[in-house]
Amino acid sequence: AQSVTQPDIHITVSEGASLELRCNYSYGATPYLFWYVQSPGQGLQLLLKYFSGDTLVQGIKGFEAEFKRSQSSFNLRKPSVHWSDAAEYFCAVGARGTASKLTFGTGTRLQVTL
Amino acid sequence: NAGVTQTPKFQVLKTGQSMTLQCAQDMNHEYMSWYRQDPGMGLRLIHYSVGAGITDQGEVPNGYNVSRSTTEDFPLRLLSAAPSQTSVYFCASSRDSLSYEQYFGPGTRLTVT
Repeated sequence: AQSVTQPDIHITVSEGASLELRCNYSYGATPYLFWYVQSPGQGLQLLLKYFSGDTLVQGIKGFEAEFKRSQSSFNLRKPSVHWSDAAEYFCAVGARGTASKLTFGTGTRLQVTL
Repeated sequence: NAGVTQTPKFQVLKTGQSMTLQCAQDMNHEYMSWYRQDPGMGLRLIHYSVGAGITDQGEVPNGYNVSRSTTEDFPLRLLSAAPSQTSVYFCASSRDSLSYEQYFGPGTRLTVT
């Protein structure tokens, strides 16, 4: 069975600073990988996804993520954080060939200081 | 398009009561699912459906029932609510079972006392 680990529960960065949120997955083959963002009181919005091909994927709101098979990682990055990026971020993995069942990590809450 | 809608937004139940959480989507999506979100545990899949008339269990199905009589609607029923079911519930949909890009509703916050 697949699993996802987000080792950082809470991260605080200053506005304008760079950001990296960590995600490690466990799956026997190349998985489908996702990052979602949840603003307070809202549902989840897809930031980006990796299915195959180029290991560096671009998403919305200036985010990008890099798939590293050797490290079983799919870390989310942003060069310059804006105050509006404060939210909770979830990494998720889906198993190829099955229904769209996603396994989510426990989330990382991002706080942005001005 | 309204996307994925959920009602109610908030609900308080007493232990043993029953209720139905409503979920509807207007995107003609085949795949729909229910997740619960608990602090420190992320989202966990309760039930899912790959099309009208077809449902299956997810990771945490106990205490919940679902049915899918139409493409648009996917209600989640709690037959006898328990305090352990206090959570935020999210409904999601995607084009089909292999598209994986899921669209989430705004959630229902349920408290069972």
